[in-house]
Amino acid sequence: QVQLVQSGAEVKKPGSSVKVSCKASGGTFSSYAISWVRQAPGQGLEWMGRIIPIFGIANYAQKFQGRVTITADKSTSTAYMELSSLRSEDTAVYYCARMAMTTVPQDAFDIWGQGTMVTVSS
Amino acid sequence: DIVMTQTPLSLSVTPGQPASISCKSSQSLLHSDGKTYLYWYLQKPGQPPQLLIYEVSNRFSGVPDRFSGSGSGTDFTLKISRVEAEDVGVYYCMQSIQLPYTFGQGTKLEIK
Repeated sequence: QVQLVQSGAEVKKPGSSVKVSCKASGGTFSSYAISWVRQAPGQGLEWMGRIIPIFGIANYAQKFQGRVTITADKSTSTAYMELSSLRSEDTAVYYCARMAMTTVPQDAFDIWGQGTMVTVSS
Repeated sequence: DIVMTQTPLSLSVTPGQPASISCKSSQSLLHSDGKTYLYWYLQKPGQPPQLLIYEVSNRFSGVPDRFSGSGSGTDFTLKISRVEAEDVGVYYCMQSIQLPYTFGQGTKLEIK
């Protein structure tokens, strides 16, 4: 059973960057896209962007364009999300989630990471 | 961006009673490939979201049959035939017909 295992909680200063990892345990990224979704305290879900590891192509939500970089290392089945120029409003739980491109259920987030809390505070 | 609007934003239901959540999209989620890209997730307290329903009406593996999804085009509904205590949490609809993927605001279900 594939699991997505994320890196641990982070506390960052405003203006700095954070890089969160997401490793597929018990499987690989083949035929999947990995998205990053964040959730501010007490708020809803917000899609940030995705990467299709076999193609190395990333897409980003307009809101985060220029501040977020999503990458993947196929050799270790690990995806990364780096967010720069952090501000207090970026305090949130960051989730990675897997989306199948060719198998059912297609285009759904069927497996999620456990979440990584990122706190931005001076 | 496609806007997803859920109603109600909160529900309080007696165990054994039904519940219904509406989700409306600002654009049709029916693709030319014949599929409708509407999904339902449940986020239980302290957990990541979990997939309940894919493509409007298909229950994901392990999801009890008291959960059902329906709808077409821009109007969708999630129904729970008999609410149980384990169903508490926040329900989200989501579209993946186009980037950026967008979620509804969430509907919080609590037990009376």
